[in-house]
Amino acid sequence: EVHLVESGGDLVQPGGSLRLSCAASGFSFGDYATHWVRQAPGKGLEWVAHISWNSNTRLYADSVKGRFTISRDNAKNSLYLQMDSLRAEDTALYSCAASSNSTNSFDYWGQGTVVAVSS
Amino acid sequence: DIVMTQTPLSSPVTLGQPASISCRSSQSLVHSDGNTYLSWLQQRPGQPPRLLIYKISSRFAGVSNRFRGSGAGTDFTLKISRVEADDVGLYYCMQATQFPWTFGQGTRVEIK
Repeated sequence: EVHLVESGGDLVQPGGSLRLSCAASGFSFGDYATHWVRQAPGKGLEWVAHISWNSNTRLYADSVKGRFTISRDNAKNSLYLQMDSLRAEDTALYSCAASSNSTNSFDYWGQGTVVAVSS
Repeated sequence: DIVMTQTPLSSPVTLGQPASISCRSSQSLVHSDGNTYLSWLQQRPGQPPRLLIYKISSRFAGVSNRFRGSGAGTDFTLKISRVEADDVGLYYCMQATQFPWTFGQGTRVEIK
């Protein structure tokens, strides 16, 4: 059975940092591109960042570019999101997702971890 | 960025009756490789989103054939042939033709 389990969410002050992790199991993690997607309270889904299967390509939403860094470790079946210079508008449920070449969509999603930015 | 617009935003449906959701993109979703990367996702209450349909009309593994996607270019439709209680939730269209990948606002399907 496929599992994506996020961790690392917390309450942090504006300007602070957090590192989110996503542990994958039940599928060939190294064959999938992976993403972070967020959903702010009462808002819709927002794609945040993408990393290709081999880490050669990393893309970011304009809203997080220069502040967030996506990375992965295929040997550990893990995905990460380093979040720096956090702002109140970054408050959201952050989910990791995996996409395959065959669908070019979000095949698998995690339950998410909550990031709250507030003083 | 490509803007995805869904209608309606709420769809009360009688059990056993069909439901239909429309999605329009602000520009063509035809990729340079010839594919159209339009997907439909279902989010049941308290659950993460789940992929139903990809590339306009291909059902993901394990998805009921009651769900059918159609469309082309900028106009797309998701149809549920006979709504069941388990279908209640939010439905999102999503484009993956161009980064940033973007989502529609979501359509809430509920039972009358």
